[in-house]
Amino acid sequence: AQSVTQPDIHITVSEGASLELRCNYSYGATPYLFWYVQSPGQGLQLLLKYFSGDTLVQGIKGFEAEFKRSQSSFNLRKPSVHWSDAAEYFCAVVASAGNKLTFGGGTRVLVKP
Amino acid sequence: DVKVTQSSRYLVKRTGEKVFLECVQDMDHENMFWYRQDPGLGLRLIYFSYDVKMKEKGDIPEGYSVSREKKERFSLILESASTNQTSMYLCASSLRGVSEAFFGQGTRLTVV
Repeated sequence: AQSVTQPDIHITVSEGASLELRCNYSYGATPYLFWYVQSPGQGLQLLLKYFSGDTLVQGIKGFEAEFKRSQSSFNLRKPSVHWSDAAEYFCAVVASAGNKLTFGGGTRVLVKP
Repeated sequence: DVKVTQSSRYLVKRTGEKVFLECVQDMDHENMFWYRQDPGLGLRLIYFSYDVKMKEKGDIPEGYSVSREKKERFSLILESASTNQTSMYLCASSLRGVSEAFFGQGTRLTVV
């Protein structure tokens, strides 16, 4: 069965500093990978997705993620964090054979002034 | 824009009550999902539906049932609410196959 692990529950970063959120997945075949963001009191918004092709994908709000098959990882990065990036971030995977979207436990990002 | 609408943002129910959470999407999506969100546990799939009247159990279906009589509407039913079902419930929809899921704003349910 597919699964997703986000090892960091909380991350605190200073405004203007870089951010990297880790995501590891477990799935035998080619996964389809997503990163979502949830701002306080809001639903989830898609940041970016990886289906195939270039392993470095660009998303909205200046985020990017890199798919590394050898490490079963899909880490999210942003070069310079803004205070508005404080939110919870979720990595998710869909198995190629079905529709089921499986989420990781989430990483809450706090941004210090 | 895709819109997924959940009928209530906040709900308070008593233990033992039958609870209905409603979700409507306006983009003719085949797939619809119900997730439960708890701190530290992320989103856990309760049920999903890939077509009208079709449903599949997710990871935590116990204590829940669903209904999909029309393509745009997916209902989550708590047959007899219990305090351990106090949580945030999120509905989502997507096109058939592998595609982006769109989420509603969530329903925060408190069972007292």
